[in-house]
Amino acid sequence: GAVVSQHPSRVICKSGTSVKIECRSLDFQATTMFWYRQFPKQSLMLMATSNEGSKATYEQGVEKDKFLINHASLTLSTLTVTSAHPEDSSFYICSARGDGELNEKLFFGSGTQLSVL
Amino acid sequence: GQQLNQSPQSMFIQEGEDVSMNCTSSSIFNTWLWYKQDPGEGPVLLIALYKAGELTSNGRLTAQFGITRKDSFLNISASIPSDVGIYFCAGHNAGKSTFGDGTTLTVKP
Repeated sequence: GAVVSQHPSRVICKSGTSVKIECRSLDFQATTMFWYRQFPKQSLMLMATSNEGSKATYEQGVEKDKFLINHASLTLSTLTVTSAHPEDSSFYICSARGDGELNEKLFFGSGTQLSVL
Repeated sequence: GQQLNQSPQSMFIQEGEDVSMNCTSSSIFNTWLWYKQDPGEGPVLLIALYKAGELTSNGRLTAQFGITRKDSFLNISASIPSDVGIYFCAGHNAGKSTFGDGTTLTVKP
């Protein structure tokens, strides 16, 4: 099956630092990747959609300068939380959608728990 | 935008019991997906449904795509402790997925 690898799984940082999260599709080419934020016991909140080679599309209310997304290849997308603050602490999850018969299925990474002190 | 109503919000059941949860929408979806999320992990795809009326099984899981394309249900038979987790439905249209709020399942041994 399609595998999506997300790293790191957990990160603790000081307020004001930037944190980069990587999302890789290991055995398929992901034309589109998605980034979500999830609060405890809540559903997934879509932050942005990234398409390989083009700018990400951000959902309403998500600051694009705060959450930088880069999708430079068909297998890698990165989310950088810039100048992180305690309110950015959350569980961040990526997903990838492939081509062909994989196109209508989303495959998720294992998530990154970000804690900003 | 499109919204999904997923119910129940939570369930507490005894091991061995059957479970049923569903999602409804005011909009039509072309694909319905069911995921399970364990604590601290990303969602894992359980079942994908592509045609109205489709009934698909995956082990003890059975899911159906409603005839109207506006609803789907997931059944789990003979629940076991490892079924514990949050189950999400997702409707998919035109490259975009909409997620339900999840059903938290607790199974008592």
